[in-house]
Amino acid sequence: ETGVTQTPRHLVMGMTNKKSLKCEQHLGHNAMYWYKQSAKKPLELMFVYSLEERVENNSVPSRFSPECPNSSHLFLHLHTLQPEDSALYLCASSPRPAGEGTGELFFGEGSRLTVL
Amino acid sequence: AQSVTQLDSQVPVFEEAPVELRCNYSSSVSVYLFWYVQYPNQGLQLLLKYLSGSTLVKGINGFEAEFNKSQTSFHLRKPSVHISDTAEYFCAVKAMNSGYSTLTFGKGTMLLVSP
Repeated sequence: ETGVTQTPRHLVMGMTNKKSLKCEQHLGHNAMYWYKQSAKKPLELMFVYSLEERVENNSVPSRFSPECPNSSHLFLHLHTLQPEDSALYLCASSPRPAGEGTGELFFGEGSRLTVL
Repeated sequence: AQSVTQLDSQVPVFEEAPVELRCNYSSSVSVYLFWYVQYPNQGLQLLLKYLSGSTLVKGINGFEAEFNKSQTSFHLRKPSVHISDTAEYFCAVKAMNSGYSTLTFGKGTMLLVSP
């Protein structure tokens, strides 16, 4: 495995379900990010973890709960979501700690979430 | 803080024609600049980046971009497009040496190449 891997690629869930999205980076990077991409809307930065510490949380509802157990793994736990949460969730990593260096991001393929 | 404006939300073009996707940015300090491409149902992939040096930057798939500091622009060009270039293109900027800042993305431009 190389790069940034996201699983599952597709997820359908009901509003009362609990599910998790997983991201793994095999690049030895120091920061990881969750973005939300909805149709007709700009990319939204949700969370940033740098050296395994959360450094940014952009007013994301508490029904989204991130977890970063180590520098290679990032999870997004989902609970009692709404239909408007349906979107493509993108994970990214950067070589340097968040905010440092050029800011170049390496993205995974995304997890397409549909909330019924 | 920095911002990015992609003036065109959609650019239709015929195969083998040239194309230019426009990107303007706003920043009070020097910046790093990027173009990313997103094919349907995929993540974002780096096309090219300007970090320093020559203002003409060449990327993958025959794309190039020119950094114009006076115009605060970083337009993306390709002399002859293929059907396979149909995708969404994002311009992004990050301020240099200005404390904590992450990439700021534009809203994207959908390039539609038809036969």
